[in-house]
Amino acid sequence: RKEVEQDPGPFNVPEGATVAFNCTYSNSASQSFFWYRQDCRKEPKLLMSVYSSGNEDGRFTAQLNRASQYISLLIRDSKLSDSATYLCVVRPNAGGTSYGKLTFGQGTILTVHP
Amino acid sequence: ETGVTQSPTHLIKTRGQQVTLRCSSQSGHNTVSWYQQALGQGPQFIFQYYREEENGRGNFPPRFSGLQFPNYSSELNVNALELDDSALYLCASSFGKETQYFGPGTRLLVL
Repeated sequence: RKEVEQDPGPFNVPEGATVAFNCTYSNSASQSFFWYRQDCRKEPKLLMSVYSSGNEDGRFTAQLNRASQYISLLIRDSKLSDSATYLCVVRPNAGGTSYGKLTFGQGTILTVHP
Repeated sequence: ETGVTQSPTHLIKTRGQQVTLRCSSQSGHNTVSWYQQALGQGPQFIFQYYREEENGRGNFPPRFSGLQFPNYSSELNVNALELDDSALYLCASSFGKETQYFGPGTRLLVL
């Protein structure tokens, strides 16, 4: 079983749509959670961190369910510029020799069309 | 822009050769992590360097090695290249365990 699993999609949605991505992780000791965005042939960029209480940044809402080991990202009012690959990322507990390691999911491809 | 730079941007090698990839970290950052991203996959952690010492390693064979220099820049060396080593190699710099910022990557093609 992969440490971080995502539905690879692709998701193809019209502008203005609401789209949700899901992600599960296997290591219950994981401490930090993120969503990164990666444009075609570019490097990943941090979109937002994910907190247990849930957090929102404009049109983006992230949720974490530690009991189910499940992370989600909701994008409202999709824009053409939201087209990218969205990567679910988990980091183990701080301390030890691997705390800096980020574990990425496969990524979910989103295409927003006019 | 993150301020993390990588060189070269593209590279073509043949099986069995050796390659060195370079990364300059963002000003003020003391930690560099290296990742391999195969086509259609998420990045996979290779190793991390903190203050010139290896500080964690992923599931990569010993022919993947690295260095970090006093100015916190870093090198990734891969010996005895295999076809499956073809990938985008990303470095990320951070201040300790804080947010990692990625460079643009080096695209390696092994023929």
